[in-house]
Amino acid sequence: GQQLNQSPQSMFIQEGEDVSMNCTSSSIFNTWLWYKQDPGEGPVLLIALYKAGELTSNGRLTAQFGITRKDSFLNISASIPSDVGIYFCAGLLEGSNYKLTFGKGTLLTVNP
Amino acid sequence: EAGVAQSPRYKIIEKRQSVAFWCNPISGHATLYWYQQILGQGPKLLIQFQNNGVVDDSQLPKDRFSAERLKGVDSTLKIQPAKLEDSAVYLCASSRTGFETQYFGPGTRLLVL
Repeated sequence: GQQLNQSPQSMFIQEGEDVSMNCTSSSIFNTWLWYKQDPGEGPVLLIALYKAGELTSNGRLTAQFGITRKDSFLNISASIPSDVGIYFCAGLLEGSNYKLTFGKGTLLTVNP
Repeated sequence: EAGVAQSPRYKIIEKRQSVAFWCNPISGHATLYWYQQILGQGPKLLIQFQNNGVVDDSQLPKDRFSAERLKGVDSTLKIQPAKLEDSAVYLCASSRTGFETQYFGPGTRLLVL
């Protein structure tokens, strides 16, 4: 099946630092989504991107839909301990019936 | 608005046994999804329902997995018989239509021994 390459696989940062993660694919997507999953819970939608080049913020989170439509990144500024969790990118291929393809996730650890 | 409900939250069974999971989507959501999330991976779609009809079950191992959504509301996912590699978190999600944001439940953690 379609693969999304998400990197880095894990990050260990100090509280207050900024962090960036990205997702790339060999195929074109017409929607990019970023989810966060806390231990023992299901993924929660953070940001949705619908147009190439779109830059969207949600509090300390900023995400962009790549111009080529094959990539996206997520930035978290001034990290806090509750940012700990696994961040997933997910993409919707053009023409699919909202069948999401997920990356393998980035595990973020924030040291207080 | 109540979220997606799933039960049980945890299940431990032996291989070759059967198991069933239940999902109640957000009220009014026509589309329901079952995902399998193996440790260290992102969720993988198993089956998608639109009301009580199947839209996509191309990644459902139909020799052992089955799912139904008889009245177009809640749904059950069954594994019979279970294998060791079925150990995973089974996530249910719903959306208002097949083209809108999916909301996930907390998942059922299955361990097959």
